[in-house]
Amino acid sequence: SYELTQPPSVSVSPGQTASITCSGDKLGDKYVCWYQQKPGQSPVLVIYQDNKRPSGIPERFSGSNSGNTATLTISGTQAMDEADYYCQAWDSSTAMFGGGTKLTVL
Amino acid sequence: QVQLQESGPGLVKPSQTLSLTCTVSGGSISSGSYYWSWIRQPAGKGLEWIGRIYTSGSTNYNPSLKSRVTISVDTSKSHFSLNLSSATAADTAVYYCARGIAAAIGSYYYYYMDVWGIGTTVTVSS
Repeated sequence: SYELTQPPSVSVSPGQTASITCSGDKLGDKYVCWYQQKPGQSPVLVIYQDNKRPSGIPERFSGSNSGNTATLTISGTQAMDEADYYCQAWDSSTAMFGGGTKLTVL
Repeated sequence: QVQLQESGPGLVKPSQTLSLTCTVSGGSISSGSYYWSWIRQPAGKGLEWIGRIYTSGSTNYNPSLKSRVTISVDTSKSHFSLNLSSATAADTAVYYCARGIAAAIGSYYYYYMDVWGIGTTVTVSS
């Protein structure tokens, strides 16, 4: 079965750029979306179709996808961005999630 | 604005069927080209997609759960449901329902979930 791999954790200083990767075989041939989940809350869609932002999501969130890796980039990271982030793609009629990355804003 | 709300027993005995309902409000469950999904998350762990249903009744299930899962929709009541048979402690999790959007662009297909319920905790224990 298809697998998406994310680093368990990423740390970033406030105001700096955070990059969270999601890897999978020929992932660039698929569309990827990203969800943010804060403790005790439901996931929130922050990026869809590789690089599109839903209404209400700040411009500091952006996405890219090429080759075997998709990347969620958060520019000018704020303390409120500390959360778990999950990538998701579609393969063989199944939605697949990455294992999640805990973003810590130090 | 569409809202989703999960409901159902918080405690299920092992070997019984786990049954949940997701009620859709603020919009019609049968309007637009939306899918309706179930996702779960064991405590401290990641998200696992369970399956989805289209308002036509067509379904897709996670292969790892397919033998035990049934998702159905009742458009007259604006809700869709999850049945997971032969429950075990491994099915203990927060269960979310979500609205999905899908389309194909050339040979590429995308599916993402843009509206989520608040989740409901289900514990499988005797």
